Amino acid sequence: QKEVEQNSGPLSVPEGAIASLNCTYSDRGSQSFFWYRQYSGKSPELIMFIYSNGDKEDGRFTAQLNKASQYVSLLIRDSQPSDSATYLCAVRRTNAGKSTFGDGTTLTVKP
Amino acid sequence: GAVVSQHPSRVICKSGTSVKIECRSLDFQATTMFWYRQFPKQSLMLMATSNEGSKATYEQGVEKDKFLINHASLTLSTLTVTSAHPEDSSFYICSARVDSQGGQPQHFGDGTRLSIL
Repeated sequence: QKEVEQNSGPLSVPEGAIASLNCTYSDRGSQSFFWYRQYSGKSPELIMFIYSNGDKEDGRFTAQLNKASQYVSLLIRDSQPSDSATYLCAVRRTNAGKSTFGDGTTLTVKP
Repeated sequence: GAVVSQHPSRVICKSGTSVKIECRSLDFQATTMFWYRQFPKQSLMLMATSNEGSKATYEQGVEKDKFLINHASLTLSTLTVTSAHPEDSSFYICSARVDSQGGQPQHFGDGTRLSIL
């Protein structure tokens, strides 16, 4: 079992819809959770991070964390074709430790 | 926001050449930096964790003599691919994290695309 699991996709949604990306992790001691977006041929860029259970909203993006169930999700509202990318979930146990990345979910938003 | 600069962005060179890649944190100090490699359509793979003033920590299967890491200051880490061969051709990406007590996120450089002929 991988430490961080994501559905590889591809996940396809129509423009304007809500895209829901999910991530589960195995280490119950994980404290920090991150979502990155990676366009093809580019390096990852940070979208959001969340530390506490519940929802965290930033513009069209909402991160949701449920530590009891060991999952973190990313919702993208009003999806745009420019949101088409691979989304990486990353989890870290301690402030000083390294992050463990999932393999990513590829999202395609169709016009 | 935290900016990580990586240079060069692209390298094309002959087999047997050694290639140095620089990673700088531009507006923050980073005791720890990370080096990743990514092959086309594959996952991000952590190669090593670079620690300022001490030896890097390499992931299992990564040759430390092949991939030399030097973290000489709080804002600069370098990765040298020694005697590079075609199988070393890949996308190399560095990442840095702001030093603080909180769980700060990692920020990535733009990556270096290495092509060995």
